[in-house]
Amino acid sequence: NAGVTQTPKFRILKIGQSMTLQCTQDMNHNYMYWYRQDPGMGLKLIYYSVGAGITDKGEVPNGYNVSRSTTEDFPLRLELAAPSQTSVYFCASSYSGQPDQPQHFGDGTRLSIL
Amino acid sequence: QKEVEQDPGPLSVPEGAIVSLNCTYSNSAFQYFMWYRQYSRKGPELLMYTYSSGNKEDGRFTAQVDKSSKYISLFIRDSQPSDSATYLCAMTLTGNQFYFGTGTSLTVIP
Repeated sequence: NAGVTQTPKFRILKIGQSMTLQCTQDMNHNYMYWYRQDPGMGLKLIYYSVGAGITDKGEVPNGYNVSRSTTEDFPLRLELAAPSQTSVYFCASSYSGQPDQPQHFGDGTRLSIL
Repeated sequence: QKEVEQDPGPLSVPEGAIVSLNCTYSNSAFQYFMWYRQYSRKGPELLMYTYSSGNKEDGRFTAQVDKSSKYISLFIRDSQPSDSATYLCAMTLTGNQFYFGTGTSLTVIP
């Protein structure tokens, strides 16, 4: 049972490059989330999705885009990488989005932009 | 003002000690409160979940919520080296958006 799988685990980008962070879950969860975690700042919600074809902005969406074409996949796109996007990115999923349903997290993608 | 405030520590205790971890928050509308544990280089995992005020116990862990003071706590009894991790508090009103604390780093020394 893989749970939430994120790829790649590490990446170094140059300023202005673009990339897609991949996230796949095999639990048939409806809700999926993207967070970034910066030292001393905690987890911040970037985007979330309540089901295939439906996405919404979180607290810090600027500079990112998402899509949700299937229940399983929720990729996060950085179009023009900036040093401020250096962070650890976590994808999470939950069955219903209700607070009593735990969010299951992947192990993160560590991204450095130089 | 941050939605959620959490002392980052680090906190270092001997094995067997009682650990107290705390968070304060500013939005009185929050109804759901969670504690996550995060090991190094791993994603957070849900440890405890509490709705509204009161206490909840699960083995060596007790979560407390005091909505009048906007203050939540996690107590760990008989702490073990395997409890060494970062503990994140989180809270939400609706379940769509969760607000996390910065995390407290805990080391339990054998």
